[in-house]
Amino acid sequence: QPVLTQSSSASASLGSSVKLTCTLSSGHSSYIIAWHQQQPGKAPRYLMKLEGSGSYNKGSGVPDRFSGSSSGADRYLTISNLQSEDEADYYCETWDSNTHVVFGGGTKLTVL
Amino acid sequence: QVQLVQSGAEVKKPGASVKVSCKASGYTFTSYGISWVRQAPGQGLEWMGWISAYNGNTNYAQKLQGRVTMTTDTSTSTAYMELRSLRSDDTAVYYCARLGVDTALTDPDYWGQGTLVTVSS
Repeated sequence: QPVLTQSSSASASLGSSVKLTCTLSSGHSSYIIAWHQQQPGKAPRYLMKLEGSGSYNKGSGVPDRFSGSSSGADRYLTISNLQSEDEADYYCETWDSNTHVVFGGGTKLTVL
Repeated sequence: QVQLVQSGAEVKKPGASVKVSCKASGYTFTSYGISWVRQAPGQGLEWMGWISAYNGNTNYAQKLQGRVTMTTDTSTSTAYMELRSLRSDDTAVYYCARLGVDTALTDPDYWGQGTLVTVSS
């Protein structure tokens, strides 16, 4: 089954952009992933599903500032014009044909 | 709109069992499965397992095999997760979710609000 690797932390300044990375393990580079945001003390919130082609589908109400892209086994979440409310943990998630789900370890984003 | 509403917080003693419910609304319940995910204090998300609301098929995380049972009641559009032989390290917030594992690329995921389960003597 796939393994997802994320950096544990990232930081960027208010109004700038940040690109978070989620890397799929060897042999799983074609997998679709999902990105979820978890603000402090809240339940996770779905952001988007992202294909290996770079095509993505966002959830309702997700600001245009959030976008996805892909390169090989890497899946990216880019947040533009960072706002204070974007300070959160970001998790990537994938699944296999046996309905087994895997989460990455999460990236804690700090907005400076 | 799609909603997943979970039961309230629980406090249990070590060795006891807990059963958390997740009532779905806003969509055809039997068209999607339900995943259960937990999050220990200060930790990341851990997938516990999945159940098909269509036929009751399940797939549990290996580390929980034998202690967890997931069921559904299609008459009330409710999913249940029971965890037995509770230990202190089962203390966590438990979430139900409709995840991408059995949905189309264009279908969004949804999360319940979470249920805090505290295991303490």
